[in-house]
Order: sequence, then structure tokens, then C-alpha cells
Amino acid sequence: QKEVEQDPGPLSVPEGAIVSLNCTYSNSAFQYFMWYRQYSRKGPELLMYTYSSGNKEDGRFTAQVDKSSKYISLFIRDSQPSDSATYLCAMIEGGSYIPTFGRGTSLIVHP
Amino acid sequence: GAVVSQHPSWVICKSGTSVKIECRSLDFQATTMFWYRQFPKQSLMLMATSNEGSKATYEQGVEKDKFLINHASLTLSTLTVTSAHPEDSSFYICSETTGNTEAFFGQGTRLTVV
Repeated sequence: QKEVEQDPGPLSVPEGAIVSLNCTYSNSAFQYFMWYRQYSRKGPELLMYTYSSGNKEDGRFTAQVDKSSKYISLFIRDSQPSDSATYLCAMIEGGSYIPTFGRGTSLIVHP
Repeated sequence: GAVVSQHPSWVICKSGTSVKIECRSLDFQATTMFWYRQFPKQSLMLMATSNEGSKATYEQGVEKDKFLINHASLTLSTLTVTSAHPEDSSFYICSETTGNTEAFFGQGTRLTVV
């Protein structure tokens, strides 16, 4: 079993929809959680970073962490075609600096 | 936020030649650089971790003599793919961290070996 599980998709939604992207993990030592967006043939771009359970909001993006369930989510409100990309979750153990990545979810927002 | 400049973004080389990829930290002096390889529709595969002035730490299964990493200064890390073969064709990405856990990525280099 991989430490971080993420459905590769693709996830196809209409423009304006609320998107929910998720990752589950098995390592209880993970304390830091990140979401990255990666466009085709580009390096990943950091979207959200959090280290506590609960919600963190930034514009149309909300990151949610539930450490008790070992489950994290990224919500995108009012999705746009420009949001079409692969979204990677990443996690780091406390005291470490090496992230463990999910395999990424491909999101397609169609007009 | 931090900015990592990686180049070239795309390189085509002949089999048997070597290719150097550079990653430069523009905003701050990165303590640690990570080098990843990514196949189409796959996640990032960590190849090695490098710290300024010391030898890189390679992940299991990664040939250190084939993928030479140099981190001579706090702002520059290089990955050289030596004697490249078509199976080395991939997307290579560097990432830096200051140790505060957030990692910032370069733009990536698409290597095609013909």
C-alpha cells in the first residue's frame, strides 16, 4: 500500500462547478500538507500549504485536513477552464523536509 | 514566494551524449535541492537530494554515476545525465526548500534522447 493514495482521474466537470479533490494517507507522522497544480509539461506550482486539521481558504481554493481520518481535500469553487491541470497532494513528516507525493488527479473543466 | 529557475526547458540530444540541467534559486539561498523524474501521467519520482557543499543522497535504484548532481553553491544545483540513452527520456524537475517544509519547483526540463 502506498503511503499516499490519490485517484488519478480524469475528473471532468462543467465550468462553474465545485470541484473536490482528495488524498488519503496511512502515515500518521505526516504533519504538513500541500496541494500543487501542474499544467502539462510544467513544474508543479504550490497552491496551498497547511499543517493543522481544519480548513484553510485562499480565494476560490479551500484546503481541508482531517488528521483523525487521514484524509485531505482541496475544493475549487466556481471552477474555470483554466483550472484544468493535474493536482498533486504532498505530505511531509514532522522533522523531515522530504515530501511524499500522491500521483496526481487530472482535472478537466469544460466550458 | 520563492522562485526557482530551471533550464533548459526542453532539450533533444543524441544517444551517448551528456546533458546538463541547471536549477537556480532566485529569491533565496536554498539549503536543499530535490531532483525528480516524472513519466507521463505519473507522479514525481524522487531521484536524489542535494545539499550545498556535500555529496548528493540518491534514492534506491538511481544510478549516481549516470545522474551526476552538483550543488556547489547555495543558489545553484545541476543534474548531468551522462551517456544518455532513449530510456532516459523523461521530464526532470528540481525543487528547493529552505527547511520550512514548503517546496518550490522549477519549470521542468523535457529531455528527449534520440
